[in-house]
Amino acid sequence: AQSVTQLGSHVSVSEGALVLLRCNYSSSVPPYLFWYVQYPNQGLQLLLKYTTGATLVKGINGFEAEFKKSETSFHLTKPSAHMSDAAEYFCAVNKGSSNTGKLIFGQGTTLQVKP
Amino acid sequence: EAGVTQFPSHSVIEKGQTVTLRCDPISGHDNLYWYRRVMGKEIKFLLHFVKESKQDESGMPNNRFLAERTGGTYSTLKVQPAELEDSGVYFCASSRTGIEQYFGPGTRLTVT
Repeated sequence: AQSVTQLGSHVSVSEGALVLLRCNYSSSVPPYLFWYVQYPNQGLQLLLKYTTGATLVKGINGFEAEFKKSETSFHLTKPSAHMSDAAEYFCAVNKGSSNTGKLIFGQGTTLQVKP
Repeated sequence: EAGVTQFPSHSVIEKGQTVTLRCDPISGHDNLYWYRRVMGKEIKFLLHFVKESKQDESGMPNNRFLAERTGGTYSTLKVQPAELEDSGVYFCASSRTGIEQYFGPGTRLTVT
C-alpha cells in the first residue's frame, strides 16, 4: 500500500527565509509524486510533479522539489518566502505508470509567513 | 479554458436528508475523480471515472453514496441519507492524461 507522511502540520518562516516542507512516501512501485497548494477559499492547485527523468523538478511560484529514491523523500523548497506563499501544502503520490490516477495525500502542512 | 467547477459551494442539511453535489470537469478530460476531506484529516480518494465508466470506486465509504457520470461529461455525487460523519469538503478533479489532476474549489457539506 502507498502512504505519504508530511512532517509538521504547521511551519512558520519569516519573509525572505528558506521554505522547506518535508514529505516522505512509501510505495511498492515507482511512484509519481506531486505537490499541491491550497490558498484560502480556493481549490487545490498543482505546484509541481515528478514522473520520470530529472529528479529535481521546478514548479510555479519559485518552488522546487527533489525526488530522492534512497530516502523515499520529495521535500518542497523555496529559497525566499513571500507573504503570498501562506497557504496549505499537500504532498501526494500515485502508482506511477501502473496507476489508475488515484492520489494518496499527506495530511497537509500549513505554511505561515511572518513579516 | 474554464477550470473544474463544483456546485454548490456550500450545503447545510439535516441528518437523514439527501444532498447531490455536481462537478463539471475541464472540457475534453475523460478522467474525473472525487475526493473528500473530513475536518482535521487528509484528503481521501472516493472514486474515479473514465468517461462514463467507474474505473475505481474503492474509496466510496458505503452504499449511501452514489456517483454517476451520465454521458461522460459532468458528474454527480449523491448522499442519501446523510449522516453527521459525512460532513467535510468534497473535491472533484479532472485529468486528460490520468497523471496531472486539476481540482475544483470543493463543496463544503455540513450535516447537522
